[in-house]
Amino acid sequence: EPEVTQTPSHQVTQMGQEVILRCVPISNHLYFYWYRQILGQKVEFLVSFYNNEISEKSEIFDDQFSVERPDGSNFTLKIRSTKLEDSAMYFCASRKRGNTGELFFGEGSRLTVL
Amino acid sequence: QQQVKQSPQSLIVQKGGISIINCAYENTAFDYFPWYQQFPGKGPALLIAIRPDVSEKKEGRFTISFNKSAKQFSLHIMDSQPGDSATYFCAATSETSGSRLTFGEGTQLTVNP
Repeated sequence: EPEVTQTPSHQVTQMGQEVILRCVPISNHLYFYWYRQILGQKVEFLVSFYNNEISEKSEIFDDQFSVERPDGSNFTLKIRSTKLEDSAMYFCASRKRGNTGELFFGEGSRLTVL
Repeated sequence: QQQVKQSPQSLIVQKGGISIINCAYENTAFDYFPWYQQFPGKGPALLIAIRPDVSEKKEGRFTISFNKSAKQFSLHIMDSQPGDSATYFCAATSETSGSRLTFGEGTQLTVNP
């Protein structure tokens, strides 16, 4: 069964460092998302991406964050200068055209900022 | 108005019992209500979903009940099994939001053998 894959599974970084989280969405999916989950809390929307541009972003997704689809398969989330409060599990998700809400999530990348 | 409120925060059920998790929403533009199941260390996985034109949807042991006038929906797990022990999230979205999912706070379900 096709799945969303994410790397790395866990990254530890120092405050102020840049981090790139990588995702390979399901191949025939057209819509891509990043969500985050702070430990013990609910899953929060960060950004959605379609047709090589951001379609929507939340108030969490400030100037420190950026997303990119550098080639036909990868989808990346960059945090330019990490803060302690960026420590969370980051989930990539994707969906097909038309299947509103039927998102397929990856297993997540745990980011720890020291 | 974008919030989805979920209860209870945690739930312990005996094997074979019925687990019930409730959610309430405010935004009447929401038109798709999925439930996601999350095991420790894994991403959320779509379990079952409903649109507001029906009041109930059943898939195996899982049933969603939907009350449009009350803006509430619930997940019922019949004959709960230890393997159902996980965190369950309700969510809501609309076509106009581009499938931006708004999640509830989550319910940690434990099914005792």
